[in-house]
Amino acid sequence: NAGVTQTPKFRVLKTGQSMTLLCAQDMNHEYMYWYRQDPGMGLRLIHYSVGEGTTAKGEVPDGYNVSRLKKQNFLLGLESAAPSQTSVYFCASSYPPTPRGNQPQHFGDGTRLSIL
Amino acid sequence: SQELEQSPQSLIVQEGKNLTINCTSSKTLYGLYWYKQKYGEGLIFLMMLQKGGEEKSHEKITAKLDEKKQQSSLHITASQPSHAGIYLCGAVVNSGGSNYKLTFGKGTLLTVNP
Repeated sequence: NAGVTQTPKFRVLKTGQSMTLLCAQDMNHEYMYWYRQDPGMGLRLIHYSVGEGTTAKGEVPDGYNVSRLKKQNFLLGLESAAPSQTSVYFCASSYPPTPRGNQPQHFGDGTRLSIL
Repeated sequence: SQELEQSPQSLIVQEGKNLTINCTSSKTLYGLYWYKQKYGEGLIFLMMLQKGGEEKSHEKITAKLDEKKQQSSLHITASQPSHAGIYLCGAVVNSGGSNYKLTFGKGTLLTVNP
């Protein structure tokens, strides 16, 4: 069972370079999320998507762009990488959270990104 | 402000000891999830609680959602080194009107010394 797959797992970039992180899920989830995890900050939501063709900003969207062209894929882009974007990035997917929701978010294994 | 507060932030226990981690919200929780994360790895779903007073167990880990649905506790009995890691709570809270969102605590780092 693949679940949520993130590529790449590791990447080192120079300041100003661009790159795209790919997230793929095979659970037919409507919702997908991108988080970053930093020491002492916990998980912070960057962007999320409630369905194919839709995206929305989370808590820390600046410097990132996303696209959801297919239901199973959610891409996170850094147009001009900055050292402050050094972090571990997690993708997750789920059914919509509702008061009767009983499905948790499923996470990928993360992408460790270093910006020099 | 952090909507979900976890305590303690870190915890060091001797193998075999019991421990409790708390997750507290100022808002009603409509679903409470506990995750475990090992260093360098992703988040692993442990269990989910929805009803006030609900309690679930998996091996030596027990989680409970209080009656008012604003606090959850995670209890580990007879801790082992394999229990070490970061425990995060995630919860569905009302974000206004009929909108709901999932939010996470900052995590509790558990170290179990053999």
